[in-house]
Amino acid sequence: EPEVTQTPSHQVTQMGQEVILRCVPISNHLYFYWYRQILGQKVEFLVSFYNNEISEKSEIFDDQFSVERPDGSNFTLKIRSTKLEDSAMYFCASSVGAGDSTDTQYFGPGTRLTVL
Amino acid sequence: AQSVTQLDSHVSVSEGTPVLLRCNYSSSYSPSLFWYVQHPNKGLQLLLKYTSAATLVKGINGFEAEFKKSETSFHLTKPSAHMSDAAEYFCVVSSNTGRRALTFGSGTRLQVQP
Repeated sequence: EPEVTQTPSHQVTQMGQEVILRCVPISNHLYFYWYRQILGQKVEFLVSFYNNEISEKSEIFDDQFSVERPDGSNFTLKIRSTKLEDSAMYFCASSVGAGDSTDTQYFGPGTRLTVL
Repeated sequence: AQSVTQLDSHVSVSEGTPVLLRCNYSSSYSPSLFWYVQHPNKGLQLLLKYTSAATLVKGINGFEAEFKKSETSFHLTKPSAHMSDAAEYFCVVSSNTGRRALTFGSGTRLQVQP
């Protein structure tokens, strides 16, 4: 069964450094998403991406964040200058994108980002 | 605006006994509702979803949930727990307004005792 994959599983970085989290969505999916879960808190929506542009973003997704689909398979989340409060589990998801907005989002296993 | 409240952060049951994980939602629109499960070191897996068709929704692994509009609830049940059901369960709402952002509950950790 096709799966969303994410690399790395765990990323440790120093405050102020740039990080790139990588995701490979399911191959025939058209919508891509990033969510995050700070330890002990709820999973929160960051951004959705369709047709090579952002379709929705939350208040969390400020100028420090960017997303890109650099090739036909990868979908990346970049944090330009990491802060301690960016430490979280980051989940990538993808959906077919057909029909209405309730099509199922399939999630990857997550990347745990630790900012020191 | 929409929100989800999972009423129990931890639930412990014995193997072979029923499971009930409670979820209440708030939405300005007719919502779509989902239950996802997360096993350790795995991604979030969809168990079932409600999208305004039948109010009793059957999912994978014997789970089902009933949408009750009058109670704004979407509780997850299973008649008989199995050890492999031990995981974190998330109740999730989508607004059906064309926005795709999912709103998650805080999760319920299910323990299954032998």
